[in-house]
Amino acid sequence: EAEVAQSPRYKITEKSQAVAFWCDPISGHATLYWYRQILGQGPELLVQFQDESVVDDSQLPKDRFSAERLKGVDSTLKIQPAELGDSAMYLCASRPTLFNTEAFFGQGTRLTVV
Amino acid sequence: AQSVAQPEDQVNVAEGNPLTVKCTYSVSGNPYLFWYVQYPNRGLQFLLKYITGDNLVKGSYGFEAEFNKSQTSFHLKKPSALVSDSALYFCAVREDTGTASKLTFGTGTRLQVTL
Repeated sequence: EAEVAQSPRYKITEKSQAVAFWCDPISGHATLYWYRQILGQGPELLVQFQDESVVDDSQLPKDRFSAERLKGVDSTLKIQPAELGDSAMYLCASRPTLFNTEAFFGQGTRLTVV
Repeated sequence: AQSVAQPEDQVNVAEGNPLTVKCTYSVSGNPYLFWYVQYPNRGLQFLLKYITGDNLVKGSYGFEAEFNKSQTSFHLKKPSALVSDSALYFCAVREDTGTASKLTFGTGTRLQVTL
């Protein structure tokens, strides 16, 4: 069964350092999402891509976060510099079409900033 | 903005008993509702969705949900709980704006099934 792949699974970084997460969506899925899930809360959308284009980054803290999906396939989410409050689970999800199906989530990257 | 509420932080049930995890929604227009489950240190797994049609939706692992428009609810149910059902459950509503389509999640309900 096809899955959304994310790496690394766990990351510990010091505050003020740069950190990056990678996501490979299910093949053929045009829509890709990055969500952040703080412990004890539901996931919150950071950014949505349709192919290589950003269609919603209204909740992305653009002073320190960036996301790209250059060829419309895999994607990278970067934080620079990391802050203690960035400690969370970062989830990637993909969908085959924009409106008709559910999103499939990867296993996430657990980030701890120390 | 559209939203969902999960009024219970935790639900406890004995194995073999029926379970209900509650969700209410607030939307403008037609609601597109989802349930996901999350096991420790894992991503979210899709359980079921309501887009249109029959108010009783059947999903994975024996779960079902009942859409109630008058009560604006979408409660998750299972006739007979298993210990392995113990996990974190999230209700979500899909919001479509132009070319963007995002899920807005509730705060989650922890289900604890005991022997």
